[in-house]
Amino acid sequence: AQSVTQPDIHITVSEGASLELRCNYSYGATPYLFWYVQSPGQGLQLLLKYFSGDTLVQGIKGFEAEFKRSQSSFNLRKPSVHWSDAAEYFCAVAIDNYGQNFVFGPGTRLSVLP
Amino acid sequence: DVKVTQSSRYLVKRTGEKVFLECVQDMDHENMFWYRQDPGLGLRLIYFSYDVKMKEKGDIPEGYSVSREKKERFSLILESASTNQTSMYLCASSFRGGGPLPLHFGNGTRLTVT
Repeated sequence: AQSVTQPDIHITVSEGASLELRCNYSYGATPYLFWYVQSPGQGLQLLLKYFSGDTLVQGIKGFEAEFKRSQSSFNLRKPSVHWSDAAEYFCAVAIDNYGQNFVFGPGTRLSVLP
Repeated sequence: DVKVTQSSRYLVKRTGEKVFLECVQDMDHENMFWYRQDPGLGLRLIYFSYDVKMKEKGDIPEGYSVSREKKERFSLILESASTNQTSMYLCASSFRGGGPLPLHFGNGTRLTVT
């Protein structure tokens, strides 16, 4: 069965430090991959997506992610974290071509120390 | 900018009550979704709809029903609310076709059933 794992439930980093959030997926075909962010009390907002082509994708708010097929991973990175990045981050994979079937990971909560 | 509006941010209902959660989107999206969000479980799909009056069960449809009488509105109904339906409910929408397009989320409704 298709699945998405995010091994880190909670990560704490200092403001200005670099960040990497891990995501691994289990899916037989070419995956369509997404990262979403959820600020407290808000819905989810799309950070970036990967469909094909260049395996390093850029997103909003200075985030980027790298697709590694050999490792079934799609890790999210940011070189310098800001206090406003404190939020919950969700990795997701679309498992059909119609955008009707998504599998979400359990989420990683990011705390930022001043 | 796409707007997905959920009518209530917080709801408190009693066990056995019939509960309606309303969602409206303003971008003429074909697909609309209802997810349930619980800590550590990520987002789980309850129902989705790809057209007016059309609906498909998701992963956890038991205890829920939906209604889509107009393209812009998608309602989630708890026929007889139970305490295990206390959760955050997220509505989302997207265009259909041309690959799995990103979801646009509302801000969520936090439902407490006592």
